[in-house]
Amino acid sequence: DTAVSQTPKYLVTQMGNDKSIKCEQNLGHDTMYWYKQDSKKFLKIMFSYNNKELIINETVPNRFSPKSPDKAHLNLHINSLELGDSAVYFCASSPLVSGGGDTQYFGPGTRLTVL
Amino acid sequence: DAKTTQPTSMDCAEGRAANLPCNHSTISGNEYVYWYRQIHSQGPQYIIHGLKNNETNEMASLIITEDRKSSTLILPHATLRDTAVYYCIVRQTSYDKVIFGPGTSLSVIP
Repeated sequence: DTAVSQTPKYLVTQMGNDKSIKCEQNLGHDTMYWYKQDSKKFLKIMFSYNNKELIINETVPNRFSPKSPDKAHLNLHINSLELGDSAVYFCASSPLVSGGGDTQYFGPGTRLTVL
Repeated sequence: DAKTTQPTSMDCAEGRAANLPCNHSTISGNEYVYWYRQIHSQGPQYIIHGLKNNETNEMASLIITEDRKSSTLILPHATLRDTAVYYCIVRQTSYDKVIFGPGTSLSVIP
């Protein structure tokens, strides 16, 4: 069974379009994340949600809007796509462990190419 | 900036132990040390984590120095499938921002 799944796996689109990437986890975790990995391979956190509440919001253009309809889903909507948005986007989830220390489980990634 | 520093790349002969070092000299008392790896084009995969004591699981061992300023990930018998980028990060809770550095690119050589 897939623990963290993302759709689509590949997304090719034109500049200026609006697109969404979906993420679902079946691990019962409380916290979900979106990361961006650019061409230089650095993995940078974008957003983090805990039980549908936003807890981390890095300096990300407001063209990016995460939406969490329930704690098992965290979708990423991107408006007015730009060439620099081309990257691999990873979703992840983790349990909320009292006392600290939690493990993140990552999805397979969505490769976004903006032409 | 990442709170950890790691060598950019390492080689290891297949079947030998791979020892990957990580420095985290500014680690605070409640921060855990985590190791993840990313095999080409896949999502990062959790390996192991620890707070103070050495840890071992089916994938690897984690050795943390007594002052907690550095740690070593040990893959006891490296295989070709262990070729990946290995990330060492420090983190306390789900509310902490996770910062991945560039990691160590490990090449296991036949």
